[in-house]
Amino acid sequence: GENVEQHPSTLSVQEGDSAVIKCTYSDSASNYFPWYKQELGKGPQLIIDIRSNVGEKKDQRIAVTLNKTAKHFSLHITETQPEDSAVYFCAASNNNDMRFGAGTRLTVKP
Amino acid sequence: DSGVTQTPKHLITATGQRVTLRCSPRSGDLSVYWYQQSLDQGLQFLIQYYNGEERAKGNILERFSAQQFPDLHSELNLSSLELGDSALYFCASSVAVGEGETQYFGPGTRLLVL
Repeated sequence: GENVEQHPSTLSVQEGDSAVIKCTYSDSASNYFPWYKQELGKGPQLIIDIRSNVGEKKDQRIAVTLNKTAKHFSLHITETQPEDSAVYFCAASNNNDMRFGAGTRLTVKP
Repeated sequence: DSGVTQTPKHLITATGQRVTLRCSPRSGDLSVYWYQQSLDQGLQFLIQYYNGEERAKGNILERFSAQQFPDLHSELNLSSLELGDSALYFCASSVAVGEGETQYFGPGTRLLVL
């Protein structure tokens, strides 16, 4: 089955800097890659996703890139703000069999 | 607000007991998923239902069971509870099954077993 690895497990940046979180997956048949943000005491919220026929997708300060050959995808957050502080999860899905990375705790220091 | 609701928000019980967690999917969603999240851990997939039928099973213990009812709400039953079952339990829903269906998560039920 699918195995998703996520790095780093913790990330601390200064407000205004960029943050990058990377994930690798093992199943070459995976075709859907969502990213979730989980704030303390809440459920994960979808922030951006990318499908296997696209290499990059951007939504304001958030972007995701996908390298199918290398089987890795990354989340990029630019101009970070304190409210970006949360745990971020990547996931890889093959026809609804979705596996999650272990999560990255992002702290944005004002 | 994802549109997925879960009750109760918090649950405190004792070892050996049985509890039922409830989930209502987003309007129109046919598929429901259950996940367990232990302290500082990732999301462990437990089980998936689609339109009333079990579709996929993950790392779900034999002491745990679930079902999806005709109105599409789902219940997760946890029995013979142990201290290690203390965790956040999330329900997610998606429109259907197939390629790249986005899952929307509920707010979770925090279970504490004493």
